[in-house]
Amino acid sequence: QSALTQPPSASGSPGQSVTISCTGTSSDVGTYNYVSWHQQHPGKAPKVIIFEVNKRPSGVPDRFSGSKSGNTASLTVSGLQAEDEANYYCTSYAGNSKVVFGGGTKLTVL
Amino acid sequence: VLLVESGGALVQPGDSLRLSCAASGFAFSSNWMTWVRQAPGKGLEWVANIKNDGSEKYYVDSVEGRFTISRDNAKNSLYLQMNSLRAEDTAVYYCARRITLDSWGQGTLVTVSS
Repeated sequence: QSALTQPPSASGSPGQSVTISCTGTSSDVGTYNYVSWHQQHPGKAPKVIIFEVNKRPSGVPDRFSGSKSGNTASLTVSGLQAEDEANYYCTSYAGNSKVVFGGGTKLTVL
Repeated sequence: VLLVESGGALVQPGDSLRLSCAASGFAFSSNWMTWVRQAPGKGLEWVANIKNDGSEKYYVDSVEGRFTISRDNAKNSLYLQMNSLRAEDTAVYYCARRITLDSWGQGTLVTVSS
């Protein structure tokens, strides 16, 4: 059982928006603004798309956005494109230099 | 930023293995580093962190006492010494920069099987 809870699946049609949630506790997501989101295509290494809750690395489209409210962080993908189909994982700093992961969400573009 | 893991292999339960991660393109000695693993068909799991100067190390409970993370800043390299390997340690092992995991390597496969 993962420390952070994500829905196992999400879906949307091209052009639509989809939001993936990531629920933790007051010991991780609720306390620290070190929530990251990682995209992983099958057979590939993960790639960070959001860090520190809502910051995008250079090169990541602004269709990807992050937010946090209380113990829950969210990733929103706007204007869905076929290449967005992938697994998405959230992570959070959990104090004492430890990191916790969500179980991952498989995003399907219909 | 480039991170390249190596050292993965097929080993038997109880064996030892040392993974390496060669870093380039950034100030390695100024950054915390992390090992993350992914069992076949499963999600990602944080394994260990090490402070930039090597003075602090942290582990997930399931590897505490069996795995040792270390680094050589002169060689821009990160290591993971894995002892008493178990079948459940079978995974692709990734090194990543910082606790925020802002850059990842391509991974190296460790298979523990008799």
